[in-house]
Amino acid sequence: SQKIEQNSEALNIQEGKTATLTCNYTNYSPAYLQWYRQDPGRGPVFLLLIRENEKEKRKERLKVTFDTTLKQSLFHITASQPADSATYLCALGAGGGNKLTFGTGTQLKVEL
Amino acid sequence: ETGVTQTPRHLVMGMTNKKSLKCEQHLGHNAMYWYKQSAKKPLELMFVYNFKEQTENNSVPSRFSPECPNSSHLFLHLHTLQPEDSALYLCASSQDSIPYEQYFGPGTRLTVT
Repeated sequence: SQKIEQNSEALNIQEGKTATLTCNYTNYSPAYLQWYRQDPGRGPVFLLLIRENEKEKRKERLKVTFDTTLKQSLFHITASQPADSATYLCALGAGGGNKLTFGTGTQLKVEL
Repeated sequence: ETGVTQTPRHLVMGMTNKKSLKCEQHLGHNAMYWYKQSAKKPLELMFVYNFKEQTENNSVPSRFSPECPNSSHLFLHLHTLQPEDSALYLCASSQDSIPYEQYFGPGTRLTVT
């Protein structure tokens, strides 16, 4: 069955460092992958999309990579700030449809 | 604000009650979604509507009944729920084409007693 794995343990890093979050998947051939941010008590907020034929995407301090051979996406936040503390979700989409399958998310805590 | 509103934000209901959740989007999108989010679990897609037509029912029990009267409104009618249905119910909308980025509402926190 399809499986998406994100690190279930919280990631604690120091302010100013680069945070790297991992999304691994099995039994899936996604056409695109999305990353969302979710704060407590709120709905997820879209951050970035990367297509299967793209290796890397950047937006301000965010960078996403997509390796379809390793079946893995990495999400980087450079120069992290306490305001970046949240849960980050990856979601995979198949070609030709708008159905997304989400991972469980990784909680990031950026400390002063 | 994401342009997607949900009411009520909190709901406590007994197992014999009937209630409805409402979602409205002001983004001109053509697709709307219902998700269930439980603690320690990934978001579970429940229903997808494209242009008011249901295109996905992810094996959801019949005690959850969706309704999409137009592309801007989505309802989830609830009846005879179970305590394990307690969760955060999220509504989302998107365009019906790539990149399909979804805009979520704040959710309804449902507690079934």
